[in-house]
Amino acid sequence: KAGVTQTPRYLIKTRGQQVTLSCSPISGHRSVSWYQQTPGQGLQFLFEYFSETQRNKGNFPGRFSGRQFSNSRSEMNVSTLELGDSALYLCASSLKSGNAGELFFGEGSRLTVL
Amino acid sequence: KNEVEQSPQNLTAQEGEFITINCSYSVGISALHWLQQHPGGGIVSLFMLSSGKKKHGRLIATINIQEKHSSLHITASHPRDSAVYICAVARWDNDMRFGAGTRLTVKP
Repeated sequence: KAGVTQTPRYLIKTRGQQVTLSCSPISGHRSVSWYQQTPGQGLQFLFEYFSETQRNKGNFPGRFSGRQFSNSRSEMNVSTLELGDSALYLCASSLKSGNAGELFFGEGSRLTVL
Repeated sequence: KNEVEQSPQNLTAQEGEFITINCSYSVGISALHWLQQHPGGGIVSLFMLSSGKKKHGRLIATINIQEKHSSLHITASHPRDSAVYICAVARWDNDMRFGAGTRLTVKP
């Protein structure tokens, strides 16, 4: 059974650009949640999608957005990148919504903003 | 004050020692997760708890809902257990909050 796949694994952008990250969940999982990890703030919840609907969003500006497709694959987008957006972006899939099911994490996408 | 507090922040142990990591939280939750993160970033879910106790191999996790406290125990620790252990709580509003993590080093 394939695990959670995140692409790309590494990317470098410059300030003002935008970026799209992709997450393919484990087959059968309808929940995909996204997290940001930085050395200063640690892990923070971005948002969760379940059956193509955003269930909740963490305390991030509107530049951070996401969506989920009918096959449960999810994308997150960050527009007008800032230096502080440099981080490891992780996604996790689950059978249950609301972060109340076992979470299966991808390897992450490491974003560097120059 | 953080909603999720972990202790200790750093822990060094000798191989074979019994280890305990604690997590206290201040909000109502639907579940609590214990996560393990090795250098390089990959995160593995160790346990998801809503009550009681769970055991998997040398790892044991307990939660006391009334006291808003959970513990992760590692019996017979091994150098391969060296990692950062993170406590995370799923709030009833579907938000998720994380502890700052406990960096464990097990020396041979």
